[in-house]
Amino acid sequence: DVKVTQSSRYLVKRTGEKVFLECVQDMDHENMFWYRQDPGLGLRLIYFSYDVKMKEKGDIPEGYSVSREKKERFSLILESASTNQTSMYLCASRPQGLFSYEQYFGPGTRLTVT
Amino acid sequence: AQTVTQSQPEMSVQEAETVTLSCTYDTSESDYYLFWYKQPPSRQMILVIRQEAYKQQNATENRFSVNFQKAAKSFSLKISDSQLGDAAMYFCASYTGNQFYFGTGTSLTVIP
Repeated sequence: DVKVTQSSRYLVKRTGEKVFLECVQDMDHENMFWYRQDPGLGLRLIYFSYDVKMKEKGDIPEGYSVSREKKERFSLILESASTNQTSMYLCASRPQGLFSYEQYFGPGTRLTVT
Repeated sequence: AQTVTQSQPEMSVQEAETVTLSCTYDTSESDYYLFWYKQPPSRQMILVIRQEAYKQQNATENRFSVNFQKAAKSFSLKISDSQLGDAAMYFCASYTGNQFYFGTGTSLTVIP
């Protein structure tokens, strides 16, 4: 089975702190994604990566950056956390290929910024 | 931009009964895929069922089936013989152009 893990289930940070959210997948998937999940808004794509050191902005990249130094690891960085970044963050991975459209999700990190 | 709309924020169903969750989508693409994902409380999101747009036959996975109306851009999920374990948030999603688009979700409660 594909396994996508995230470094923390719950995280509490202070405004202005630099925050790192880590995601690791064990199935050698090329594509990895970071989503933000908020009630009434569904999932919104922050960034995605289709290869090591490659990244693309999603729908809401402002205030975030990402890093992908190794194929299995995709990090989301909040340079200076703000209260409006309090949310559930979901990581996902997907293999490359014409018919490889199924995403595999991690358990999520619920981030609270105070 | 692609949009996926779930007009039912909350639904409830009696155990063993059938419930239908609605979803509409908007795309100008001819090649796309549609999905229903399930997110149980405090658990990982998992794929329930998928439908390729080029297929006319509705997808079925055990107690889960879809009603895919391509012309109407409608993609509803039917859950038959509902079980307590079906209680979750359900997200409708479309995939096109290497990107997924999600609806806002429907919270399903199963009443014993």
